[in-house]
Amino acid sequence: QVQLVQSGAEVKKPGDSVKVSCKTSGYTFTSNYIHWVRQAPGQGLEWMGIINSSGGNTDYAQKFQGRVTMTRVTSTSTVYMELSSLRSEDTAVYYCVREERGPQHYFDYWGQGTLVTVSS
Amino acid sequence: DIQMTQSPSSLSASVGDRVTITCRASQSINSYLNWYQQKPGKAPKVLIFAASSLQSGVPSRFSGSGSGTDFTLTINSLQAEDFATYYCQQSYSTPRTFGQGTKVEIK
Repeated sequence: QVQLVQSGAEVKKPGDSVKVSCKTSGYTFTSNYIHWVRQAPGQGLEWMGIINSSGGNTDYAQKFQGRVTMTRVTSTSTVYMELSSLRSEDTAVYYCVREERGPQHYFDYWGQGTLVTVSS
Repeated sequence: DIQMTQSPSSLSASVGDRVTITCRASQSINSYLNWYQQKPGKAPKVLIFAASSLQSGVPSRFSGSGSGTDFTLTINSLQAEDFATYYCQQSYSTPRTFGQGTKVEIK
């Protein structure tokens, strides 16, 4: 069965960086794009960006340009999201999400989420 | 960027009610519209994709309609397990924007 298993919760200080991992299994890793979506406490869903698991090319939301880096390691079927220059507003649950392979591009599988807390 | 506007932001309903949530896109997205359900402390899960296609395993009381800019999610005969927050999302282009969410609460 398809699974996306994320790394554990993190507590960071303002100005730090955080790197969240997303290990996938149960499907051919290079067949599907992976997105990152975050959700601040009590707020809605915010799209951060996408990575092509095969070629590694990325597309980031303008809001995060210059602060976010998404990478993948095909040998371990793992995707990473690194966010730098953290501020308190980055406190959120971060989800990796698989995009279905067909033409509709919907999100068919989600990781369990990783809580990142930014506090001095 | 395509803006997605959901209404209402919250609603109260009783078990057995019919519930309708609307979503409007700031430009035409054809049928690239998906609906997700999120329960507290859990990741969202897809209910409807391509505006009206029911995801495998989702109860048939959920249905979606619309195309272009205006879309609707309908829940027929609301059940206790349906109390949650619902989000629409466009998959027409990046950034993949979401509506602000509709919280369905027990009356």
